[in-house]
Amino acid sequence: NAGVMQNPRHLVRRRGQEARLRCSPMKGHSHVYWYRQLPEEGLKFMVYLQKENIIDESGMPKERFSAEFPKEGPSILRIQQVVRGDSAAYFCASSPGPREQYFGPGTRLTVT
Amino acid sequence: DQQVKQNSPSLSVQEGRISILNCDYTNSMFDYFLWYKKYPAEGPTFLISISSIKDKNEDGRFTVFLNKSAKHLSLHIVPSQPGDSAVYFCAASEDTDKLIFGTGTRLQVFP
Repeated sequence: NAGVMQNPRHLVRRRGQEARLRCSPMKGHSHVYWYRQLPEEGLKFMVYLQKENIIDESGMPKERFSAEFPKEGPSILRIQQVVRGDSAAYFCASSPGPREQYFGPGTRLTVT
Repeated sequence: DQQVKQNSPSLSVQEGRISILNCDYTNSMFDYFLWYKKYPAEGPTFLISISSIKDKNEDGRFTVFLNKSAKHLSLHIVPSQPGDSAVYFCAASEDTDKLIFGTGTRLQVFP
């Protein structure tokens, strides 16, 4: 059973461009979470999704950030008009239900 | 407001000895606690968890202790091995929702 997959692993964007981060959960997992880790900090929750539904987006910045988990295909975290402060590692986690979350390897976003 | 705190940013332990990593929390509504290990440039790896109805959970070399009255949990690793060198995060959740992470403790196990 493959683990949580994220791509790309590294993404470089210039200020003002869009970043799209993809997450394929583990097989059988219907819950997806996105977290962000800034340098020298812990992981901060962003959004929790189930298929076609956003369950909790309390950690998402109000502007420029959006997430989806369509019926078919991976979950997408989209950042529009990126700024330098968006540079971070973005981790996706999945779970079959509540409780243990299994993390992907992360996407390291660098905004130049 | 940091609801989950790991006050020791680093810990150095000799191989074979016990490693004790500590974590404090402020939200009494947390009912599930987890420990993750993280290597550089990788995602966190789940280690062990504990429900608030228990005070101890053991899995091989890893044991987690929960003291609800003190709002404190700890991870014991016995015996410590060089491969355990990593950053350890504790995390907590309320109901079935998001995880709230501490800032991590960097463990170094030396020969």
